[in-house]
Amino acid sequence: GEKVEQHESTLSVREGDSAVINCTYTDTASSYFPWYKQEAGKGLHFVIDIRSNVDRKQSQRLIVLLDKKAKRFSLHITATQPEDSAIYFCAATNSAGNKLTFGIGTRVLVRP
Amino acid sequence: EAAVTQSPRNKVAVTGGKVTLSCNQTNNHNNMYWYRQDTGHGLRLIHYSYGAGSTEKGDIPDGYKASRPSQENFSLILELATPSQTSVYFCASGDPGNQDTQYFGPGTRLLVL
Repeated sequence: GEKVEQHESTLSVREGDSAVINCTYTDTASSYFPWYKQEAGKGLHFVIDIRSNVDRKQSQRLIVLLDKKAKRFSLHITATQPEDSAIYFCAATNSAGNKLTFGIGTRVLVRP
Repeated sequence: EAAVTQSPRNKVAVTGGKVTLSCNQTNNHNNMYWYRQDTGHGLRLIHYSYGAGSTEKGDIPDGYKASRPSQENFSLILELATPSQTSVYFCASGDPGNQDTQYFGPGTRLLVL
């Protein structure tokens, strides 16, 4: 089955800098890649996604890049703010499109 | 935004006891999911459902049962709880025909003694 590896377990960045989280996946048939944010003691909150028919998507300060050849996708948080501090999860669908496989999460800390 | 609620939010159970975790969604999504979250593992899928009356095994179904009596409700049942099932459990709903996005509940923290 699909395996998703999230390469950074923790990231510490200075406020205003960018944070980059990298993920790789194994199933070449995966077509949907969402990102979720989890704040302390809360559930996961959807932040942005990308589909396999594009290689870049931006929503305000969030940019997602997808490299299908390398089976790699990444989340770029630009101009980081203290409220960006959280755990971020990447995920990918299986070939049937009915299940998500998650990475283990990246804890992002934005320092003042 | 879609609303997914879970109950209880916290639960302490004894080994060998029965535990039922409940989930309710008000956005009329067909699909519902149960995950557990453990340090070092991220979220792992236990059971999911395509609609009322349907339950499917996820990636780690052993020791768990699921029940989907209606579109809105999806329960996770631990018939004989074990300490290894101590975890945080999340329910989610989603409609794969509409963006595939899953909406998560706030989680249930379960401690099995």
